[in-house]
Amino acid sequence: GEDVEQSLFLSVREGDSSVINCTYTDSSSTYLYWYKQEPGAGLQLLTYIFSNMDMKQDQRLTVLLNKKDKHLSLRIADTQTGDSAIYFCAERRRPGDSSYKLIFGSGTRLLVRP
Amino acid sequence: GAVVSQHPSWVICKSGTSVKIECRSLDFQATTMFWYRQFPKQSLMLMATSNEGSKATYEQGVEKDKFLINHASLTLSTLTVTSAHPEDSSFYICSASRAGPTDTQYFGPGTRLTVL
Repeated sequence: GEDVEQSLFLSVREGDSSVINCTYTDSSSTYLYWYKQEPGAGLQLLTYIFSNMDMKQDQRLTVLLNKKDKHLSLRIADTQTGDSAIYFCAERRRPGDSSYKLIFGSGTRLLVRP
Repeated sequence: GAVVSQHPSWVICKSGTSVKIECRSLDFQATTMFWYRQFPKQSLMLMATSNEGSKATYEQGVEKDKFLINHASLTLSTLTVTSAHPEDSSFYICSASRAGPTDTQYFGPGTRLTVL
């Protein structure tokens, strides 16, 4: 199947850590991405992880990949009000497969409370 | 680097008219460009993939004659919504990749189309 699933909403207090979760179904996925979308804007690539990695850290962002469970998470440390946005995970399938397109999750709306 | 722009950012048109949306890669050459549609509070749905100089590949259920895509250069792709109807009202987002469809995609800011 093509489903990539995310929880719809997450609310955290400023300064706390946020963890946004994503599950996917295709075990042949090569890359998994996290994008951020602010109101009325396009998508900003935050980070991505190759499928043979377990973890990737980039400043305040930590991506964890559990390939066995097909579970991806994005942790934002010291969450700020400017982090309030919708976060999409996306999977890309293996090269050569006709379905090389990105499959997006439904997005998680992160609200950061002062 | 990897900046993608779209023009216009928003457009309102009358039912039955055609609207052209431009997508440009500003600081890189884009071998492949993608067009997505996003309904309110929903995810992105891929409409079509276009490679420079060749015909676009449309996703199942997307009408080729209604959504005309042209990728005439390595920095410009256009989406023309022909004979627009209110149900075509949506947020249209393009993305571009340097090295083909499997390379990282960089997204434009989107174009909000409202058809009256």
